[in-house]
This record gives sequence, structure tokens and C-alpha cells, in this order.
Amino acid sequence: KQEVTQIPAALSVPEGENLVLNCSFTDSAIYNLQWFRQDPGKGLTSLLLIQSSQREQTSGRLNASLDKSSGRSTLYIAASQPGDSATYLCAGGGSGTYKYIFGTGTRLKVLA
Amino acid sequence: DTAVSQTPKYLVTQMGNDKSIKCEQNLGHDTMYWYKQDSKKFLKIMFSYNNKELIINETVPNRFSPKSPDKAHLNLHINSLELGDSAVYFCASSQVFFGGERLFFGSGTQLSVL
Repeated sequence: KQEVTQIPAALSVPEGENLVLNCSFTDSAIYNLQWFRQDPGKGLTSLLLIQSSQREQTSGRLNASLDKSSGRSTLYIAASQPGDSATYLCAGGGSGTYKYIFGTGTRLKVLA
Repeated sequence: DTAVSQTPKYLVTQMGNDKSIKCEQNLGHDTMYWYKQDSKKFLKIMFSYNNKELIINETVPNRFSPKSPDKAHLNLHINSLELGDSAVYFCASSQVFFGGERLFFGSGTQLSVL
């Protein structure tokens, strides 16, 4: 049974810092890996999708990578801003599995 | 134009009542989901449907009955509501494309059972 753990559970950093969020899967057979952002009281916004044939995706200050051999993904946020404060969730699955399994989330607070 | 829309946004009800949450997606996706987010913010899949057919039922009590009248709609009916059903329920949809599959979420329905 797939389980997804995110470390750290919470993180507080000063503005401008570069930071790394981690996501690990117990079953490394992952088809797709998606990173989401969730603001308080809101739904989930998709940030990056790493497809089955890919190892990395970039969007602006965000970079996500996936190491299938170890079942680990990282989300790198460069030059963090207060507006980046949110909960970040990783999810693995898709491509015919009809299921995305979510991680436990990392609550990020970027201080001005 | 909201891609995945669900109603109502808030639902407050008494224990023992029956309630429904509606979901619609205008993305043309084949697959739709219901997820439950508990008080610790953990998201857990409940059901997934593909082209109106139930594919996954993750050991959800049979008080929860999803219905998909067409592939753009997936509603969730809950009978005999219990205190433990209080949570945020999210509808989502996805489509496989060129080896990838992106999940899109609705804004959630916060259910409070008193």
C-alpha cells in the first residue's frame, strides 16, 4: 500500500531564502508526481507535474525533481517570498491507476 | 470559467440527516474523484469514476453513495450523517495525456455535522 511522507511537516523561513521540501513514497512505482499548493480555506492549485518519462520540471522559482529509484521527490523554491506561505502537498499516481495518493503536507511560512 | 465547481461551499447539518454535494467539471475529463480532507489536513481518496463507471471505492462506509449521471458530473450523497463525517470534501478531475495526468480540484465543501 502506497504511503507518502513529507518532510518537514512545518517550516518557517525569512524572506529570500532558498528552500527544499521533501516527499517520499513507500512504493517507488510512480507514474506521475504532482506538487500542489493549498492556501487556508481554499482548494488545491497544481504547481508542477512530473510525467512518467520525466525527472524534473521547472516553473518560475519552482523546481521539482523525481528520483523513481529511491521513491523521492523534492520541491525547490528559490528566493522565497511571503506570498509563498501555504501548505505544499505532493501526490503520486495517475496514468490509469485512477488514484493519486497524497502526502502529509508541509506548512510553509515565509516571514517578511 | 471555473474548471471544477462544487456546491455548496459550506454545509452545516445535524447528525442523522442526509445531504448531497454536487460537482461538475467543464474540462472534458474522463475521470472524476472525491477526496476527504480531515482536520489534520490529510487528503484521502474516497472514490474515482471513469466515464461514469465506479473504479475505486476506498473502503468508504456505504452511507456514502456517489452518483455520476454523465462524465462531467459526480455527486456525493451522504446518509445518516455522523460527527466523524465533518471534514472538507474535494471533487477533482483528470485526463491522461501523452503519458501524463494532471489532477484539477474544486474549491471544496466544508461539512460540519453538529
